[in-house]
Amino acid sequence: DTEVTQTPKHLVMGMTNKKSLKCEQHMGHRAMYWYKQKAKKPPELMFVYSYEKLSINESVPSRFSPECPNSSLLNLHLHALQPEDSALYLCASSLERHGYTFGSGTRLTVV
Amino acid sequence: GESVGLHLPTLSVQEGDNSIINCAYSNSASDYFIWYKQESGKGPQFIIDIRSNMDKRQGQRVTVLLNKTVKHLSLQIAATQPGDSAVYFCAENVNKAAGNKLTFGGGTRVLVKP
Repeated sequence: DTEVTQTPKHLVMGMTNKKSLKCEQHMGHRAMYWYKQKAKKPPELMFVYSYEKLSINESVPSRFSPECPNSSLLNLHLHALQPEDSALYLCASSLERHGYTFGSGTRLTVV
Repeated sequence: GESVGLHLPTLSVQEGDNSIINCAYSNSASDYFIWYKQESGKGPQFIIDIRSNMDKRQGQRVTVLLNKTVKHLSLQIAATQPGDSAVYFCAENVNKAAGNKLTFGGGTRVLVKP
């Protein structure tokens, strides 16, 4: 298995909703990442997990809450989002600094 | 600060011609570089990578050149095909004490004309 799987592919949520994005990989990668990508812009790093521990938080607002239940799974919990948070959310994993592999993303729309 | 940028936001190329996409980076501590292709509605797809101790690497129809002296990276696509139409991003990896950070450049859209 050489893929990073993200669910759901599309998500529409209201500003008072709570939702979660999920990411899964079975490549044995011990680093996992969340990126946010706005239209016509490059992906921007949000969080880095290394060996299931949060190692980097790029000053992301607390309405985004990451979680790494085990070495294969990464979640992003969403609460009280704003319309400007609408974007493509990408998950990636890597074997140390190499082999970065990205999922297809979750297209999030906040209404 | 750390940044990765591109010189050309859009590149229009005739089918069959060669394409060259350029990227400038500013962090001399970057130790690994990757080129990604992203099609509409999809995640970035790995094309080719290069470590900082190399200056050239070739793949199938693609070549990456790294010039550390001027902090410049390029991607050459030979015999460009319609399927090569996409946005291309360069990315640099910096190994920090807290973990690895992969930072993307601004992106270049490649349009292949038949």
